This record gives sequence, structure tokens and C-alpha cells, in this order.
Amino acid sequence: DTEVTQTPKHLVMGMTNKKSLKCEQHMGHRAMYWYKQKAKKPPELMFVYSYEKLSINESVPSRFSPECPNSSLLNLHLHALQPEDSALYLCASSPGPQGSRYGYTFGSGTRLTVV
Amino acid sequence: DQQVKQNSPSLSVQEGRISILNCDYTNSMFDYFLWYKKYPAEGPTFLISISSIKDKNEDGRFTVFLNKSAKHLSLHIVPSQPGDSAVYFCAASNYGGSQGNLIFGKGTKLSVKP
Repeated sequence: DTEVTQTPKHLVMGMTNKKSLKCEQHMGHRAMYWYKQKAKKPPELMFVYSYEKLSINESVPSRFSPECPNSSLLNLHLHALQPEDSALYLCASSPGPQGSRYGYTFGSGTRLTVV
Repeated sequence: DQQVKQNSPSLSVQEGRISILNCDYTNSMFDYFLWYKKYPAEGPTFLISISSIKDKNEDGRFTVFLNKSAKHLSLHIVPSQPGDSAVYFCAASNYGGSQGNLIFGKGTKLSVKP
């Protein structure tokens, strides 16, 4: 299995809703990432988990809450989002936190719309 | 302030010709550079990479050139095919540092016309 699987592919949520994005990989990778990408912008790093521990939080608002239940799963819990949070949310993994010549393996993303 | 810059938002090339995508960077601590390809509604897919100790890496139709003194790299696709039409992201990282995070450029949309 050489994929990163993200669910759901599309999500529309209201500003008072609570929802979660899920990411799964079975490549034995020990580093997992959440990126946010807005239209015509580069992917921007949000969080890094290294060996199931949060190692980087790029000053992300607390309405985004990451969780790494085990080495294969990464969740992003969403609560009280704003319309400007609408974006493509990408999950990625790499063999270890030091990166590799193959970079990251990305999932297909979750297209989030906040109404 | 962008550390990785792709100044051409789009590029159109005829099938069979060469596509050259450019990328500039500002951080001299970057020690690895990667190119990703992205189709609509899909995540970025790794294409090719180069270490800062090299100036060229080739993989089939794809070659990446690195000019460290100019802080510039380019991706050459020869010959270009319609299936190469996608957004190409340049990314850089400091793998020798404590965390190998990838920093992405804004991307260049390549259109290869039959």
C-alpha cells in the first residue's frame, strides 16, 4: 500500500458545526503532516506529527485541532470555522521527520467549504 | 516573504517540444529540492528531486538542474506530452536541520497542446 487516504473528499459545514477530517497511511511512515492550500497559493504547512507526537504547530488557530491516535492515522478536528477557512486540506506522510529524497506522499485532499 | 518562488504562473508548450519550468529560492540553508506535479482534485505527486551537492538529476524525460550560486533550479521535460499538463510545484527543504519540512512555491500551470 503506497497511498495516503483522506476522507471525506468534500465537506460543507456551517460555522457552528464540529467535523473531523481523517487521514490514513499504511506505509510505516512515522511523520505525518497537515497542509492547507487555497486557490492559486502554495500548500502551507499547518501541523507536523513525528512518531505520533505533535512536533510543529505553525501558529494555527485553535479552531483546528489535530490528533494522531496511532502511527497510521491522523485526524484534524474542526470547530467554529470561518468562511475564510475554506480550502483544500492535504495530508501527507514521510518515512521519518528528517524527510527523504522522495519528499512526502500526499493524499488527494479534502475540499472544505465553510458556509 | 516567499522563500521559494515560481514567477511564471503558467506555461504553454507544443507537444514534443521542451518544457522548462523555473524556480528561485532565497534560503541558502535549503539542501534538498523537489518537484511535484498536481492534477485537479488530486494531491501533489512526487516527480523528481535533487540534493544541493549535485547540479543535475535525470529521470527519463525529466531533468532537474540546480544552480546554487544563482539560487535557481529548473525542471526540463523532453519531449512534452499532453498528459504532462498539470500544475508543477517546486519545493525545498532543509533536511540537514531538525525538521525536513517542505516549503512550496506557488506553482506553474503547464499546458501541453497536441
